[in-house]
Amino acid sequence: NAGVTQTPKFQVLKTGQSMTLQCAQDMNHNSMYWYRQDPGMGLRLIYYSASEGTTDKGEVPNGYNVSRLNKREFSLRLESAAPSQTSVYFCATSVQTRSYEQYFGPGTRLTVT
Amino acid sequence: RKEVEQDPGPFNVPEGATVAFNCTYSNSASQSFFWYRQDCRKEPKLLMSVYSSGNEDGRFTAQLNRASQYISLLIRDSKLSDSATYLCVVNMAGGSQGNLIFGKGTKLSVKP
Repeated sequence: NAGVTQTPKFQVLKTGQSMTLQCAQDMNHNSMYWYRQDPGMGLRLIYYSASEGTTDKGEVPNGYNVSRLNKREFSLRLESAAPSQTSVYFCATSVQTRSYEQYFGPGTRLTVT
Repeated sequence: RKEVEQDPGPFNVPEGATVAFNCTYSNSASQSFFWYRQDCRKEPKLLMSVYSSGNEDGRFTAQLNRASQYISLLIRDSKLSDSATYLCVVNMAGGSQGNLIFGKGTKLSVKP
């Protein structure tokens, strides 16, 4: 089992360009999440999908859109990248049980110049 | 008050030392608590859940004090491989219960 996979691993964009970060899981988990991690800021939730067919905003959703394509896949789109979106992006999943522990993908390092 | 607060460290300890990390959380209705470990340039990984009665996993002991809204992680007999950043994590009570709030992490460096 691959667990949670993310593509690409690294990306450099120019300001104004768009891109989609892909996340896929083979853990049969219901819930999926997108986070960004910046130095000194910790992990911050961008968007989440509690189950297939639903998405909701997290703490820092501005400048992003998401699509829960099916139970396995959850993508994050930057329509017009800005330098402030330079960050490491992590996808995570959880089975919606009482304990809510999350499992993370390896991350995408994005630089916007 | 920030939702989850941790001492950022770094904690520099020799091999074999015992080290303790503390964490406080602001929402008294939180129900799930975790410690995650994050190695440099890697993803966070679940280290252990924290149960009300306290729990132990080998050299690691986690404790929860609901009255004081305080979580701790004790590492005994530190190994070089324990060097990492340790994240205190609490679920967000209210709204989606699956949403987790992450502390900024405490960095541990174990030296030979």
